[in-house]
This record gives sequence, C-alpha cells and structure tokens, in this order.
Amino acid sequence: DQQVKQNSPSLSVQEGRISILNCDYTNSMFDYFLWYKKYPAEGPTFLISISSIKDKNEDGRFTVFLNKSAKHLSLHIVPSQPGDSAVYFCAASFPLPNFGNEKLTFGTGTRLTIIP
Amino acid sequence: EAGVAQSPRYKIIEKRQSVAFWCNPISGHATLYWYQQILGQGPKLLIQFQNNGVVDDSQLPKDRFSAERLKGVDSTLKIQPAKLEDSAVYLCASSGLAGVETQYFGPGTRLLVL
Repeated sequence: DQQVKQNSPSLSVQEGRISILNCDYTNSMFDYFLWYKKYPAEGPTFLISISSIKDKNEDGRFTVFLNKSAKHLSLHIVPSQPGDSAVYFCAASFPLPNFGNEKLTFGTGTRLTIIP
Repeated sequence: EAGVAQSPRYKIIEKRQSVAFWCNPISGHATLYWYQQILGQGPKLLIQFQNNGVVDDSQLPKDRFSAERLKGVDSTLKIQPAKLEDSAVYLCASSGLAGVETQYFGPGTRLLVL
C-alpha cells in the first residue's frame, strides 16, 4: 500500500529551465511534507518542507506547492543547474501519539537529470 | 557539526549468515531511525528510537531483525539469518528534540545477500 507516490521515475530538463517534480499522497492524515535529495552513495539530504496549513513554501531556487484537496504536491526548481541532478524523494509525516518526532513515509523517488 | 556515521559502508554475505550494522547519530539527537531502501524504492522505516526506548517497530521483521540503542546514543541493527530479499541499503537517521521535523541521514550500508 503505497501512501506516497511519485509516478515519474525519471525526468530530464535542460539547464536553465524549470524542473517540476510531482508527488501524490493518499492518507489525508498527513500534515507535513518534505522533499529530500539524494546523490549516489550518499544518504538523502533535506531540501525543503511544507506544513499542511500552507499552500506554498519558497527557498531560493526551490518552491514546494501543496494542493490538499487534490492530495498533490510539487517541487519546482528554477533555474535548473547541473548540480541538481539527483534522485528526489517526496516524504510525508503525521505525528506519533507520544513524541514530537514524526515518522516519514517516502515515495519511490524521481531521478532528475539536468542536461547542460 | 559531524554528521550521522554508519559502518560498514558495504557488506556481502551469503544467505542464512548474520550481519550487523552500526550507527552513531549526530551528537545530542534523541531520536534515531533505521530505514531499509530496496533498489528502486523509497526508504522504509524499520524502527524508531527515542533515546533508548522503541517508539515504532511495526515494520521490523522481528523474526530475523533486531535493533538496540542501549545507552541512548549509538545503535546496532542485526539480521539473523539473512535472506536474499534483505539486499538493500540500510540508512540510519537522527533528529533533535520534539518539534524538529527534519531527519539527518547517514551514508547508508549497502548489503548484498548472495
């Protein structure tokens, strides 16, 4: 039962253009969403997040949009740079009953390739 | 600030053998997570510790997997006996006190079971 889905396993974008990565979720109890970036032979690194009370969060070249009614979020990277080539994971969380740290449920990832 | 440390980085074993992985989280991080990432999939949480107590181990195959964090700092994950389907990258992550949502991941241990 895949609660967080990334339906595009790969994406190629020209350098300087906009990259749009998509993510869908099924569990309406999720209240916090994150994007992680992963280079080969390294662990995922946090990129940007958004709370369910917002519909947009921006950090430099990265913007995450959340559409709660559609249970959909997207990551926009503009302009795309060669160093952005990596696997991007969408993740979602909801609070555990007794502690403040949330359990993350990850999507399957999208491999982004930026073409120089 | 030093990151999450994991060892070994790679391990090749035969099925039915045992294997153990070690993780040292970021200093001061109370919460520690072990994830399993099978090729082509996203990381799946196996177990979460808060200090030395288990918060969630609902997806840990307890007949063969075990984990401990005895002193509330570093942790070991053990598989005994290993199966072919255990071939994966095992990621350790840590996060700070309540309210800190982001997790910091180590480089992972890549396990191949033959």
